[in-house]
This record gives sequence, structure tokens and C-alpha cells, in this order.
Amino acid sequence: GQQVQQSPASLVLQEGENAELQCNFSTSLNSMQWFYQRPGGSLVSLFYNPSGTKHSGRLTSTTVIKERRSSLHISSSQTTDSGTYLCALDNTNTGKLTFGDGTVLTVKP
Amino acid sequence: AQTIHQWPVAEIKAVGSPLSLGCTIKGKSSPNLYWYWQATGGTLQQLFYSITVGQVESVVQLNLSASRPKDDQFILSTEKLLLSHSGFYLCAWSPDSLRQFFGPGTRLTVL
Repeated sequence: GQQVQQSPASLVLQEGENAELQCNFSTSLNSMQWFYQRPGGSLVSLFYNPSGTKHSGRLTSTTVIKERRSSLHISSSQTTDSGTYLCALDNTNTGKLTFGDGTVLTVKP
Repeated sequence: AQTIHQWPVAEIKAVGSPLSLGCTIKGKSSPNLYWYWQATGGTLQQLFYSITVGQVESVVQLNLSASRPKDDQFILSTEKLLLSHSGFYLCAWSPDSLRQFFGPGTRLTVL
């Protein structure tokens, strides 16, 4: 089965609403990262968070290893937050990132 | 500060033609380097990784090859392109095999 599963596959919000994106994994992990993929395809690193909670502006990432999940919370969403959010984990020591299929977020004005 | 460049930005190539994509990292010595590929609408997959000059490990077999001729350079190539090679190619670097930083990517269309 797939090692990394993201949910929901897509999410539509009104501007100002909060978003909760989930990433569940079936293996142990050495690293966990969240990325924003621009429409052109390039990746913006949002968080490196193998455990615990990290904050960056309106974004919060929480990884709970024993529950094998990581989440990305976006508060007070803006139209510019629209795009694809990817989580990726590495359960090796070689930097072999395994990506989820992503969550496509659409924020309407 | 470290910077990562990829070239070309985009390519349109014929089936059966050769391909060479490049990636350079500036501002970091001896980085770990990675190639990823994403089919249109698909999931990103790691293709190759390299932890030192001259050493490249293959992760996924896609009739592609990679080389690391210099510490700061990573090359992806094939002698004969297939239709299935179309997609988006990303190069990434890491100082420690944990956190990875990605380049801007190359979009390849094979006709």
C-alpha cells in the first residue's frame, strides 16, 4: 500500500476560513517535510518537522510519530494560499523522500 | 546563501532523441543531490541520489541515467527519449539527507 496518504484530496474554502491538511504514513520516519507546489511546478519548502509542532506565520505543522500522522494548519486563509500542498517523508538514511499525492486547496474571495 | 539552478527551463523533444538536463548548486560544498520526476497530474518520485562526486544511486528505473561530474553539478540524461519521459524534473540538494531544497524544475515534453 501507499506509504504516504494525504487528505483531503481537494479542499475549497472561503477566504478567512481555516484549513487542516492531513498526512498519514505507514512507516517509521527520519524526516517529514511539507511543501507548497506552485502552479508552474516548483516546490516551496514550508516546514521540516519530524516531530512536534512548528509555526510560521499563519501556518502550523504538527507531527505525532506514534500516531503516524502529520498535519498542516492554515489559519485565516487567503486567495494566494491556493495551490497544491505536499507532504513527504524519508524512512531511510539516504534522503529518499516519498511524497504524498497532495491536497489541492482553492480559496475563494 | 545557497542557490540551485536547473537548465533548461523547458524542452520539447522528439521520441528517440537524446536528452541532457542539468543542475548546479552554488554556495554549498559536498551537498547530497537528488533528481525527481513528476508526470502530469502524478506523484513526485525520486529517480537518483548522489552523496559524492562520481557516485550516483538509482532509485527508480525509467531508462534514464544520472552523473555527478563535479561536486556542484548533477546531470540527468538518456540517449533515447520515450513518450513516458514527459513531465516535470526537479533537482534537490540537502546538507544532511534530512531537509531538502528544490530547484525551479525543467518541464519536458516528448512528442
